[in-house]
Amino acid sequence: AQSVTQLDSHVSVSEGTPVLLRCNYSSSYSPSLFWYVQHPNKGLQLLLKYTSAATLVKGINGFEAEFKKSETSFHLTKPSAHMSDAAEYFCVVTERGTDKLIFGTGTRLQVFP
Amino acid sequence: GAVVSQHPSWVICKSGTSVKIECRSLDFQATTMFWYRQFPKQSLMLMATSNEGSKATYEQGVEKDKFLINHASLTLSTLTVTSAHPEDSSFYICSARGQGTETQYFGPGTRLLVL
Repeated sequence: AQSVTQLDSHVSVSEGTPVLLRCNYSSSYSPSLFWYVQHPNKGLQLLLKYTSAATLVKGINGFEAEFKKSETSFHLTKPSAHMSDAAEYFCVVTERGTDKLIFGTGTRLQVFP
Repeated sequence: GAVVSQHPSWVICKSGTSVKIECRSLDFQATTMFWYRQFPKQSLMLMATSNEGSKATYEQGVEKDKFLINHASLTLSTLTVTSAHPEDSSFYICSARGQGTETQYFGPGTRLLVL
């Protein structure tokens, strides 16, 4: 069965410093992977997705993620954090043969001035 | 593109009443819509999947008679919480997916408070 593990429940960075949000997945096949962001009391916004094309995926707002099959990882990065990046981030994998998204437990990103 | 709306954005109701939440895909046809529930500071829990014109498929542990889902058109799905109780208070989020794609686009959510 597919699963997703977000290794950090909270990440705090200073504005202007790099962001790294870690995600590991478990899957017996090449999965589709997504990162979504959720701002307080809002729905989820798609940041980026990986669907077996280029392993380095660029998303919106300067975020990118690299699919590493050997490490079963799909970490989210951004070179320079902005205050507006403070939010909850979810790593998501699709369940093979179904329509379902399997969500990680989320990582709350705090950005300090 | 790929905008999904929900209405209302928040609702307060008395225990025992029913509440209907609408989910609309504004600029694409959503052959499949999903309803999620999110408790404070937790991840999303899939409640049910609905395909246009078909009965919804509910996840294990979700009462289909309590959470009625209708997907009558390619742009609208509704979730009705029947005989709501305080424990139904939560943040309900829908998502929509077009034909031939796997990306789900999420609505802004509806916060339900049952008194």
